[in-house]
Amino acid sequence: KNEVEQSPQNLTAQEGEFITINCSYSVGISALHWLQQHPGGGIVSLFMLSSGKKKHGRLIATINIQEKHSSLHITASHPRDSAVYICAVNDMRFGAGTRLTVKP
Amino acid sequence: EAQVTQNPRYLITVTGKKLTVTCSQNMNHEYMSWYRQDPGLGLRQIYYSMNVEVTDKGDVPEGYKVSRKEKRNFPLILESPSPNQTSLYFCASSLWDTSPLHFGNGTRLTVT
Repeated sequence: KNEVEQSPQNLTAQEGEFITINCSYSVGISALHWLQQHPGGGIVSLFMLSSGKKKHGRLIATINIQEKHSSLHITASHPRDSAVYICAVNDMRFGAGTRLTVKP
Repeated sequence: EAQVTQNPRYLITVTGKKLTVTCSQNMNHEYMSWYRQDPGLGLRQIYYSMNVEVTDKGDVPEGYKVSRKEKRNFPLILESPSPNQTSLYFCASSLWDTSPLHFGNGTRLTVT
């Protein structure tokens, strides 16, 4: 079993839909990262969190330390949100990624 | 502009020919790391550095070397590349190991 599990692997949504991507981990953490990788390959850090909830624009990230679970939410999704979203624990354990496609 | 610069972006080489991928950051970050990304395996950490002259192995260090002689630079060295090192490589930096990561644009390496 991988130490960091993401679901779903692939997700297709219509523009405007609310999106949730999940990340479960089995190791102790000091920080959990949500990363975005665009088709061109570049990786951008969206959030780093160790407790609670963070919000940036239409993106919200939450973490439940007791349940070892984090979620990334995208409100009012847009085609430009199409990318691979990667959960990373302690910057060295990575989920396999969730490929999100938002259709207009 | 704050950034992590990797060079080259693309590199095709032959087995056994030593190569270096450079990584430089202009944010005065303490922490730097190297990753490789392969289809079906995702991102995996190769080496990391908490500070100048301090480096440690990640999950997949075999066949790679690094050095951290100055804070801004963290080159990745392949002394004798092999085809199984064909991959997409990323360098990243952060203020310290529990800060947000800043990634370079990636280096796509092909070893024939």
